[in-house]
Amino acid sequence: DTGVSQNPRHKITKRGQNVTFRCDPISEHNRLYWYRQTLGQGPEFLTYFQNEAQLEKSRLLSDRFSAERPKGSFSTLEIQRTEQGDSAMYLCASRRQGAYGYTFGSGTRLTVV
Amino acid sequence: SQQGEEDPQALSIQEGENATMNCSYKTSINNLQWYRQNSGRGLVHLILIRSNEREKHSGRLRVTLDTSKKSSSLLITASRAADTASYFCATEALTGGGNKLTFGTGTQLKVEL
Repeated sequence: DTGVSQNPRHKITKRGQNVTFRCDPISEHNRLYWYRQTLGQGPEFLTYFQNEAQLEKSRLLSDRFSAERPKGSFSTLEIQRTEQGDSAMYLCASRRQGAYGYTFGSGTRLTVV
Repeated sequence: SQQGEEDPQALSIQEGENATMNCSYKTSINNLQWYRQNSGRGLVHLILIRSNEREKHSGRLRVTLDTSKKSSSLLITASRAADTASYFCATEALTGGGNKLTFGTGTQLKVEL
């Protein structure tokens, strides 16, 4: 059990550029979650997958956001045409179906300048 | 969106004292979980309490749940400087979206030597 791995740890991008983040969950965890956290706030749910199926998306996930988990293992979160308001910590978590505890990665901190 | 609020927003205590944090939530829940987050890092699962439980202990942690008031509290006894972190409560709803965590706004705890 190597934990949930997120890459990159930090990303600085210019407004209007596209960015992609990667999450590698714990291998036997079939559920994978993406959250966004801004300074001083709790994490906000964006989307989750069960295996390769994306089962729920938040209204926070605008058309500029897309998430994939093509083989039911790692996941990517892409933001197109980034805006300054996208600056946040993006957290990934995974868990086994039927288990209660979520394991979080260390996050990717995005700064849009 | 945030599930509810935590109180206080910030708490500063001396090492050895007890720290109590409160959490309120809005919907009917399946369970409530507490997480710790060190500055700029991911979240670590601390303890879970199910909706049919009223109190749970784990080491120096004690959590209570009052479903009639939709509230929970986390007590950390004999605090240490290493307990300095942000603490979040998170709920899994009973229905309609119960497969994800909804977080509160967090309490920043500072334990001074």
